[in-house]
Amino acid sequence: RKEVEQDPGPFNVPEGATVAFNCTYSNSASQSFFWYRQDCRKEPKLLMSVYSSGNEDGRFTAQLNRASQYISLLIRDSKLSDSATYLCVASPNSGAGSYQLTFGKGTKLSVIP
Amino acid sequence: DTAVSQTPKYLVTQMGNDKSIKCEQNLGHDTMYWYKQDSKKFLKIMFSYNNKELIINETVPNRFSPKSPDKAHLNLHINSLELGDSAVYFCASSQSWDPHHEQYFGPGTRLTVT
Repeated sequence: RKEVEQDPGPFNVPEGATVAFNCTYSNSASQSFFWYRQDCRKEPKLLMSVYSSGNEDGRFTAQLNRASQYISLLIRDSKLSDSATYLCVASPNSGAGSYQLTFGKGTKLSVIP
Repeated sequence: DTAVSQTPKYLVTQMGNDKSIKCEQNLGHDTMYWYKQDSKKFLKIMFSYNNKELIINETVPNRFSPKSPDKAHLNLHINSLELGDSAVYFCASSQSWDPHHEQYFGPGTRLTVT
């Protein structure tokens, strides 16, 4: 079983739409969660951290459900510039691996004019 | 100014050769990493160094040998290259090994083994 699983997509949405991605993680001891964004043929960049209480940054909202072990990312009012692959990331907290980030394969989003 | 830089950006070489990729960060970070992203876009950690000391060494063939001459540099040497080594290799750095600290990635080195 993969440690972090995401629907690879692609999600093709029109501009202005709201889109949501979910991701599940297998290690219940994971404590830190993130969403990274990776543009085509570019490096990943941190989009936002995910906190237990949920957090919002402009048009982006991240939620964490520890009971079900899933993380979500909601993008409102999608822009063409949001087209990218969104990587879900978890950090297991177990001994020497506590500082190791585990990346999902990513969900590809295409925002269409 | 580039925060995390890697050279070369592209590397095409034949099987059996030995090659090195260099990484430098000017952020004053203590921790550096090497990741491999294969053709299926799966990004997987290979090594992590904190203050020049190896702290993560995932199941990677011993043909791969990282070296950190100082905190700002983490190089990756690969011996006897194989077809399966073809991938994009990303260097990254973070303020410390604390996972809450953002990791900053370099632009990647696209390695093609023929």
